[in-house]
Amino acid sequence: GQQVMQIPQYQHVQEGEDFTTYCNSSTTLSNIQWYKQRPGGHPVFLIQLVKSGEVKKQKRLTFQFGEAKKNSSLHITATQTTDVGTYFCAGGNDMRFGAGTRLTVKP
Amino acid sequence: EPEVTQTPSHQVTQMGQEVILRCVPISNHLYFYWYRQILGQKVEFLVSFYNNEISEKSEIFDDQFSVERPDGSNFTLKIRSTKLEDSAMYFCASREDRAGGYTFGSGTRLTVV
Repeated sequence: GQQVMQIPQYQHVQEGEDFTTYCNSSTTLSNIQWYKQRPGGHPVFLIQLVKSGEVKKQKRLTFQFGEAKKNSSLHITATQTTDVGTYFCAGGNDMRFGAGTRLTVKP
Repeated sequence: EPEVTQTPSHQVTQMGQEVILRCVPISNHLYFYWYRQILGQKVEFLVSFYNNEISEKSEIFDDQFSVERPDGSNFTLKIRSTKLEDSAMYFCASREDRAGGYTFGSGTRLTVV
């Protein structure tokens, strides 16, 4: 079945540094969604990208969908301690999740 | 803000026993899903449900699993004969249409002993 790969698995940053997680698929995705899961919590929907080359911003978060619709990225500018959690991408009609990138932020 | 409600929050069961995990999706949502997450691992798709039937299921969703929408509000996941490796957090999710984001419930932590 369709596989969505996500890197890195872990990222530890100093507060104020930037953070990026990448999502790659072997097949073209109809859409991609990003979720955040706080420790002990449930995934919370952040955004959906549908169009080739699409870029969307939510405050300090920038989401991109590749031209070929096979990859996506989430970039956080100037991380804060509230950004801590695991960020998952999920793609395609049956919403297969990537393994997630666990972000920790040192104050 | 509308929520997906899951009960119980934690279920402990003996190996071989049947369990039913319950979910109340958001009322105007039409697509329903079950996912599971083994501790520290990724969220794994189990099954999707639309128009009173399964639309897709993963390789994890074998004959031991079944889903039902017994009335207009509940959406249940049944595991017939639980195994130790079924221990995980089970998340229910719903969405209004295929273009929208998923709303996840808070999950049921299933522990099989």
